[in-house]
Amino acid sequence: AQKVTQAQTEISVVEKEDVTLDCVYETRDTTYYLFWYKQPPSGELVFLIRRNSFDEQNEISGRYSWNFQKSTSSFNFTITASQVVDSAVYFCALKNNQGGKLIFGQGTELSVKP
Amino acid sequence: KAGVTQTPRYLIKTRGQQVTLSCSPISGHRSVSWYQQTPGQGLQFLFEYFSETQRNKGNFPGRFSGRQFSNSRSEMNVSTLELGDSALYLCASREGTSTDTQYFGPGTRLTVL
Repeated sequence: AQKVTQAQTEISVVEKEDVTLDCVYETRDTTYYLFWYKQPPSGELVFLIRRNSFDEQNEISGRYSWNFQKSTSSFNFTITASQVVDSAVYFCALKNNQGGKLIFGQGTELSVKP
Repeated sequence: KAGVTQTPRYLIKTRGQQVTLSCSPISGHRSVSWYQQTPGQGLQFLFEYFSETQRNKGNFPGRFSGRQFSNSRSEMNVSTLELGDSALYLCASREGTSTDTQYFGPGTRLTVL
């Protein structure tokens, strides 16, 4: 069975701090896809990044970076120099190679205080 | 391109009623998926439609149904509403292949009284 675990329910930081959101997944599939989405108070899920199981390269996009490690089944997300606008709930999700069903973690609520 | 749109954005119904939610995907996207989000259960997959056919279904009772039209627009229907159906219902669209990323709409917040 597929499963995504985001152990951190809530994180609170002060602006300009770095913060890492953890994501651990379980799957028996050899080909799969991992995602991070951001959900601001408005409710819409905003796509941030997608990673394929056969591509373990880490990625940096501005203040965001992602660390994908198959050996530990983890796909962690780091925000550098956090800003108040980063406050939101962040979801990690897993999908196999068939269809569009996403398995979501429970989400991590990030609060960035000025 | 315009994003995924969902109507209505907010809905209040009473127990026993039925409700229909609508989703218009991004232009060119042929697959639409529906998710239910509640504080207790989180985000759960309801079903997926591709080319007017249901391709995958989550673990929800038969009161939850959907369909997709030839223009890829999709509707979701919940009959005999229960209090526990109160949730944010999110629709997502993707181009169609299994590797495509899903893009979400703003959701419909359903409250059942």
